[in-house]
Amino acid sequence: EAGVTQFPSHSVIEKGQTVTLRCDPISGHDNLYWYRRVMGKEIKFLLHFVKESKQDESGMPNNRFLAERTGGTYSTLKVQPAELEDSGVYFCASSQSGRAFGEQFFGPGTRLTVL
Amino acid sequence: QKEVEQDPGPLSVPEGAIVSLNCTYSNSAFQYFMWYRQYSRKGPELLMYTYSSGNKEDGRFTAQVDKSSKYISLFIRDSQPSDSATYLCAIAYSNSGYALNFGKGTSLLVTP
Repeated sequence: EAGVTQFPSHSVIEKGQTVTLRCDPISGHDNLYWYRRVMGKEIKFLLHFVKESKQDESGMPNNRFLAERTGGTYSTLKVQPAELEDSGVYFCASSQSGRAFGEQFFGPGTRLTVL
Repeated sequence: QKEVEQDPGPLSVPEGAIVSLNCTYSNSAFQYFMWYRQYSRKGPELLMYTYSSGNKEDGRFTAQVDKSSKYISLFIRDSQPSDSATYLCAIAYSNSGYALNFGKGTSLLVTP
């Protein structure tokens, strides 16, 4: 069974440009999470989808970030316009629903560099 | 005050040593306590999780939770060079949809 995949693995853009990150969760996983790690800091939660609905987006830093999950399958995270402080590694994770606690499986991350 | 505090290390031990990794947390509402392992350029991988105070063992790994002190630990016995990685503690509670609160991670190097 394929794990969580993320694309691209690495993106280098200039300040002010737009970047879209994609996450494909494990098939059948209703929960999808986005996290981010900026240099020197801990991995921080951004938002949580249950199927196509945003369950919790309390971790989104500002309105330059837009996440979508079309049809409850893959998800995209768009940053527009990108700022220097957006540089970091963006992780996606997915888990099954219907359980008291579901293990979150992480993708390899997208390393974003904003110049 | 951060939700989860973890000493980032780095920690270097000889092969065969017992390793102790620790985190403290501030929110007593947390219900689930996890340890993730992350190799370079990879995503975190769940090692162990527990939801009660006490010890949980899995092979060479033991997770320990003390809710009264808000303290969690991971012990690695007979450490191997393949254990060299970053170890992240993570904590969650159901009211937040199990969103994970991570520590900074401790970098561990096990030398042959």
